[in-house]
Amino acid sequence: QSVLTQPPSVSGAPGQRVTISCTGSSSNIGAGYDVHWYQHLPGTAPKLLIFGNNNRPSGVSDRFSGSKSGTSASLAITGLQAEDEADYYCQSYDGSGWVFGGGTKLTVL
Amino acid sequence: QVQLQESGPGLVKPSQTLSLTCSVSGGSISGGGYLWSWIRQHPVKGLEWIGYMHHSGSTYYNPSLKSRVTMSVDTSQQQLSLQLRSVTAADTAVYYCARILRVFGPSKYFFDNWGQGTLVTVSS
Repeated sequence: QSVLTQPPSVSGAPGQRVTISCTGSSSNIGAGYDVHWYQHLPGTAPKLLIFGNNNRPSGVSDRFSGSKSGTSASLAITGLQAEDEADYYCQSYDGSGWVFGGGTKLTVL
Repeated sequence: QVQLQESGPGLVKPSQTLSLTCSVSGGSISGGGYLWSWIRQHPVKGLEWIGYMHHSGSTYYNPSLKSRVTMSVDTSQQQLSLQLRSVTAADTAVYYCARILRVFGPSKYFFDNWGQGTLVTVSS
């Protein structure tokens, strides 16, 4: 039901690389609007992870990176750590407001 | 680092008005370059943007909620308020307040600081 589509779950072993996709349409990502990513541990405040497709706020590890192409975007996490286990959400704009993905639960095996 | 904290009743009856407050600390609500937003997370539907406001009082609401939403700001108290009228079970969600960093224009807005959220259940 979310405007942006994310896989419900991904997993990886410590040290591995995982990617989380975010698929939109010509009304949002495909229209050239920026994609932003958030990390959320339930019960805590969501944290901005990537803004403007591929920019990290100060303090965010360089293990996190973002990319965008066409109507999709991706979040890559390298060198997986146990502390990365969380929910991840993408966000963009659709001409009249801001839209989110349904979230992806990352499990570190 | 700015901190945001939501507060309000955890239970609201159907057809009544949901009222929440967001207290901001560690930074001024009136500081330039920022807007203040409410976002909710439904148990199943995911995240939904509700609206945003400037400390001057100007607002912009999600068209799907516009007829029922009012946001306001009290700069002296460093507080934001959300009112959602005529609630139904579909309004049951975790409600977050968040700060928007204004960069170039609305299409580039993102939420750079969030509160922990508060669960509001609509039930009789």
